[in-house]
Amino acid sequence: AQTVTQSQPEMSVQEAETVTLSCTYDTSESDYYLFWYKQPPSRQMILVIRQEAYKQQNATENRFSVNFQKAAKSFSLKISDSQLGDAAMYFCAYRSEDFGNEKLTFGTGTRLTIIP
Amino acid sequence: EAGVTQFPSHSVIEKGQTVTLRCDPISGHDNLYWYRRVMGKEIKFLLHFVKESKQDESGMPNNRFLAERTGGTYSTLKVQPAELEDSGVYFCASSRTVLNFNEQFFGPGTRLTVL
Repeated sequence: AQTVTQSQPEMSVQEAETVTLSCTYDTSESDYYLFWYKQPPSRQMILVIRQEAYKQQNATENRFSVNFQKAAKSFSLKISDSQLGDAAMYFCAYRSEDFGNEKLTFGTGTRLTIIP
Repeated sequence: EAGVTQFPSHSVIEKGQTVTLRCDPISGHDNLYWYRRVMGKEIKFLLHFVKESKQDESGMPNNRFLAERTGGTYSTLKVQPAELEDSGVYFCASSRTVLNFNEQFFGPGTRLTVL
């Protein structure tokens, strides 16, 4: 079974600075997806960024980028130029690439606080 | 386009009572998923519907939980009888069926408290 570990329950960063959230995972599969989801306070969880395991290039979405290290099974999220609206719970998640096996396996989350 | 909606947003019940949670997926989404987050822990998968059929129910904790999706539209998750350890936030998500990656869109969740 796959597992996802987020070792930082809470993080804080000054507005406009850069912060990195850590995530490690364990799997015996070679093809899979990795995700970072964001859940702002009292709001729905939304997908921030995804990475296909077969791609060597790290995914980037505007101020959000990942550092995907497949051999080390590490998948960290970097948020550049942090903004107040980035304050949220961030969940790292894994999904098999097998069609029909679409369940997401989540970590325990990291609560990110932005300091004005 | 309306997002995934869940009802109620909060529910407080006593141990032994029954509660039914409802999820309305995004229109046209054949896939519907239920997840649960117990306080402070990870979000765990419960089950996955494709239209009205259960594709994967490997995460359902026990037979006190019953999920249905009649007609392949909205879904209900019934807990009967509820136990203290059932407290948590229940999330629903939906997605289209596509050949490659299909993004799961999440609802706001239902916070269930069992006293």
